[in-house]
Amino acid sequence: DIQMTQSPSTLSAFVGDRVTITCRASQSISSRLAWYQQKPGKAPKLLIYKASSLESGVPSRFSGSGSGTEFTLTISSLQPDDFATYYCQQYNTYPRTFGQGTKVEIK
Amino acid sequence: QVQLQESGPGLVKPSQTLSLTCTVSGGSISSGDYYWSWIRQPPGKGLEWIGYIYYSGSTYYNPSLKSRFTISVDTSKNQFSLKLSSVTAADTAVYYCARDPTGYYTDYWGQGTLVTVSS
Repeated sequence: DIQMTQSPSTLSAFVGDRVTITCRASQSISSRLAWYQQKPGKAPKLLIYKASSLESGVPSRFSGSGSGTEFTLTISSLQPDDFATYYCQQYNTYPRTFGQGTKVEIK
Repeated sequence: QVQLQESGPGLVKPSQTLSLTCTVSGGSISSGDYYWSWIRQPPGKGLEWIGYIYYSGSTYYNPSLKSRFTISVDTSKNQFSLKLSSVTAADTAVYYCARDPTGYYTDYWGQGTLVTVSS
């Protein structure tokens, strides 16, 4: 299985901050990476696919980059609605695997 | 817009079989464009991908999990199902059904259903 490792596990930030989350794959996955946002008690929501493509309806302050084994999710200006847990997922091979999550908290 | 809804008992006794159904609306499960997946999340933990089924009945299961899972499909009801045998407390989780464009990421999720394993 491809292992996905996110860092940091927890991130504290102020509204308006620029935030970056990193996801590393244990082997190359090309650009076959998705990012999800999950709020407490809710299902994950797709934000980014193909490493950098923004899902329809997702605010443009979210962006993704990377290829191969290293990827980043950036929130350009953190908003109150963005406090949540973020997961990366590789879809290069089966079984699909997720990172362990990054919780973005209010500072 | 497609919607997925999980249903099933919220409490299962140890050693019994967990059974969940996902009803798909707003789209046909028989579309050849999608795999229909199950994913679970233990309380306070991360996401674990269980497996998928195609409308034809072909399946793929996560080899890292013990082979206690069975996924089936009922195209006449636009539903697919998950069974997990010999459950233990470690199987307590929110179970999500989801849609994956074939070979791609998960684009739609059900709301999830919490299943607790306890006597």
